Amino acid sequence: EIVLTQSPGTLSLSPGEGATLSCRASQSVTSSYFAWYQQKPGQAPRLLIYDASRRATAIPDRFSGSGSGTDFTLTISRLEPEDFAVYYCQQYGNSPWTFGQGTKVEIK
Amino acid sequence: QVQLQESGPGLVKPPQTLSLTCNVSGGSISISGYYWSWIRQLPGSGLEWIGYIYYNGDTYYNPSLRSRVAISIDTSTNHFSLNLTSVTAADTAVYYCARDNGGYWEYWGQGALVTVSS
Repeated sequence: EIVLTQSPGTLSLSPGEGATLSCRASQSVTSSYFAWYQQKPGQAPRLLIYDASRRATAIPDRFSGSGSGTDFTLTISRLEPEDFAVYYCQQYGNSPWTFGQGTKVEIK
Repeated sequence: QVQLQESGPGLVKPPQTLSLTCNVSGGSISISGYYWSWIRQLPGSGLEWIGYIYYNGDTYYNPSLRSRVAISIDTSTNHFSLNLTSVTAADTAVYYCARDNGGYWEYWGQGALVTVSS
């Protein structure tokens, strides 16, 4: 199975700053079948990005995804107060579908 | 808008069977092109995909759980279910049901905490 490693583990930033979250796969992800989710305490994950770069329904354009092969990135252009949360990457190009361990974006 | 809601016991004794049901509202579970998944979140945040079912009954499971998992579907009542046999404390988790768009999940239930303890 593909192992996804997210970095950094924690990102301490201020509202208005930009954030760059990385995810590295242990082998190439087929056809860029890659997604990003946001999770807040007590809530289910929320889909942000699928197919590596497509924004899900109603996701603001400050969220963008990029990458291919083994390296993928989620960029948040300007952090809003509601963006402080844990972010997970996920691949669905090779079964079984797997998740990264998460990056926590916290208020500095 | 599609909504999903998990239900089932919050406490299961080892080595019994964990059983959860997901009720789908706001849309038909028989719609083609979508699969219906179970995903769990283990203590310490790790997310693990368990498996999915299609409306025609086709299933696919994570190999790590395949020997203990069964997912079923009832299109007449718009729900699908998870059975996980021979549970241990390692199966303690929040269990989510979700609509699978082909490997990723846009609609999720709120999650059901299941604790395995004697």
